[in-house]
Amino acid sequence: EAGVAQSPRYKIIEKRQSVAFWCNPISGHATLYWYQQILGQGPKLLIQFQNNGVVDDSQLPKDRFSAERLKGVDSTLKIQPAKLEDSAVYLCASSLNRDQPQHFGDGTRLSIL
Amino acid sequence: QKEVEQDPGPLSVPEGAIVSLNCTYSNSAFQYFMWYRQYSRKGPELLMYTYSSGNKEDGRFTAQVDKSSKYISLFIRDSQPSDSATYLCAMRLGNKLVFGAGTILRVKS
Repeated sequence: EAGVAQSPRYKIIEKRQSVAFWCNPISGHATLYWYQQILGQGPKLLIQFQNNGVVDDSQLPKDRFSAERLKGVDSTLKIQPAKLEDSAVYLCASSLNRDQPQHFGDGTRLSIL
Repeated sequence: QKEVEQDPGPLSVPEGAIVSLNCTYSNSAFQYFMWYRQYSRKGPELLMYTYSSGNKEDGRFTAQVDKSSKYISLFIRDSQPSDSATYLCAMRLGNKLVFGAGTILRVKS
């Protein structure tokens, strides 16, 4: 079974620029999550999708972050404009449904200069 | 106070030792308890998934949950250098997972 795929693996941008991350979940997984993991901390949920609908985006900084999951499969997370404190690893995870364990991709490491 | 507390370590042990990793939590509503292993520059990998109080064993790994004390543990027997990683505890409340900050484990050969 192929795992969660994320790209790019690394991204370096300057503050105030925009950036986008892509995630392809495990085939058949209805639930998709985006997490932010700052160095030395555990992952923090940004947004959760069930198929192509948003279940929870309470911790997403909506003034600069946006995410979509068109057609209920792939998802993109965008930051515009980026701030220095956005430097982190952005992890995508998926699960068969909301009650099942989550499986993570290897993340995108974002550095803001 | 954080919802989930985890000692960041690093915890350094010799090969073959028994390792004990722990988390405490404050919210008694947490229902499911998980341990993830995260290697450097990789995503978290699910190791153990438990619901009730008590022990669950899988190979060299044993997960222990004590809901009355709001305390969970992961034991690793016969630790190997390949076990060197960050171990994250996670707890589920409804649809939301709350992670500890992770404990860095180093197993020396």
